[in-house]
Amino acid sequence: ILNVEQSPQSLHVQEGDSTNFTCSFPSSNFYALHWYRWETAKSPEALFVMTLNGDEKKKGRISATLNTKEGYSYLYIKGSQPEDSATYLCAFIEGAQKLVFGQGTRLTINP
Amino acid sequence: EAGVVQSPRYKIIEKKQPVAFWCNPISGHNTLYWYRQNLGQGPELLIRYENEEAVDDSQLPKDRFSAERLKGVDSTLKIQPAELGDSAVYLCASSLGTVGRTDTQYFGPGTRLTVL
Repeated sequence: ILNVEQSPQSLHVQEGDSTNFTCSFPSSNFYALHWYRWETAKSPEALFVMTLNGDEKKKGRISATLNTKEGYSYLYIKGSQPEDSATYLCAFIEGAQKLVFGQGTRLTINP
Repeated sequence: EAGVVQSPRYKIIEKKQPVAFWCNPISGHNTLYWYRQNLGQGPELLIRYENEEAVDDSQLPKDRFSAERLKGVDSTLKIQPAELGDSAVYLCASSLGTVGRTDTQYFGPGTRLTVL
């Protein structure tokens, strides 16, 4: 059974501060890692699909890195804004197209 | 372009009652997924369809859950009878199904089910 762990489970950050959180996944048989952002009462939104060791992707103030050899990915948010408040989910691909999700990091930005 | 549509958004029922959720995927998406998210956990796959065919339903509790995807477009997930432990958010997602393991799954807003 695959285990995808995210830490911390929740995080409170002051507006303007930068922050990061972690997704740990099995390092064997790696295919792809997905990051999603899920705001309350909205649909989960795809942020990144990461496939290569050392990959770094960026979308505005959000970026992510990938280390497949040691089995972790970091998500960074630079200069947090209130609209960044959401649950951030990572998901590991198992088998064909089955996403195995972590439990999420719930981020709250304090104004 | 419209995203994945789900209805209802919220449903409150008493235990032992039946309930059904409906999903309309993004046009042209061949693959459709149903996930369940329990409180404090990540979504877990219940069933995956390739067109009309259920290709992975290993996590679907078949004694009370059923799903169908008629004509390879819309899908319905049913629970009969519902139990207290079925309270969760039920998410539908769709993807093109042509890219493989990097295929992005697009999610609907979910149906929050409360069983009393």
